[in-house]
Amino acid sequence: DAKTTQPTSMDCAEGRAANLPCNHSTISGNEYVYWYRQIHSQGPQYIIHGLKNNETNEMASLIITEDRKSSTLILPHATLRDTAVYYCIVRGTASKLTFGTGTRLQVTL
Amino acid sequence: EAGVAQSPRYKIIEKRQSVAFWCNPISGHATLYWYQQILGQGPKLLIQFQNNGVVDDSQLPKDRFSAERLKGVDSTLKIQPAKLEDSAVYLCASRLTGSSYEQYFGPGTRLTVT
Repeated sequence: DAKTTQPTSMDCAEGRAANLPCNHSTISGNEYVYWYRQIHSQGPQYIIHGLKNNETNEMASLIITEDRKSSTLILPHATLRDTAVYYCIVRGTASKLTFGTGTRLQVTL
Repeated sequence: EAGVAQSPRYKIIEKRQSVAFWCNPISGHATLYWYQQILGQGPKLLIQFQNNGVVDDSQLPKDRFSAERLKGVDSTLKIQPAKLEDSAVYLCASRLTGSSYEQYFGPGTRLTVT
């Protein structure tokens, strides 16, 4: 599975959009991009995934560049409860997920 | 829908002792995973089961770690004997086999080895 690169940490003001970038320049054509988050003292939680097209659900939007070498997770109106570590994962044909160290998002008042 | 259950939530043991963790996945989920998460790192897959068969245990330290899922439902992960470096959170996750690869995680068991 392709490696991902994420910033170590980011801050966001409550109510503003949080845009979390992820670089996956070695991604291949059949690999999906997954996003999970982990709130303190909890297990990871699935957010969204995509292959080529942009995706949106009740939690977030996923924007994947046309060359698929990078993506951005967007939380449209961040709240304090969105403070967490966000993991960008590229998954191939196997069902296992390989987590990196993620981005620690701090949402502030 | 009930989530993935794990017990105990916390465990403190001395090195060279044994410990076991239990996981009850979401009903109907055929795939079960055990992860180890060391402080400051992302979760690392230890073992993956499909029903009661092992799919991937390539990162399981088999000299001291063992896991089973006898009836294809509950699972136990055992460490014998424990080392200081085994201090971590042990996460269980399950997945409904099919086109979706969404994994559902339990709250984890925090193990401290002294």
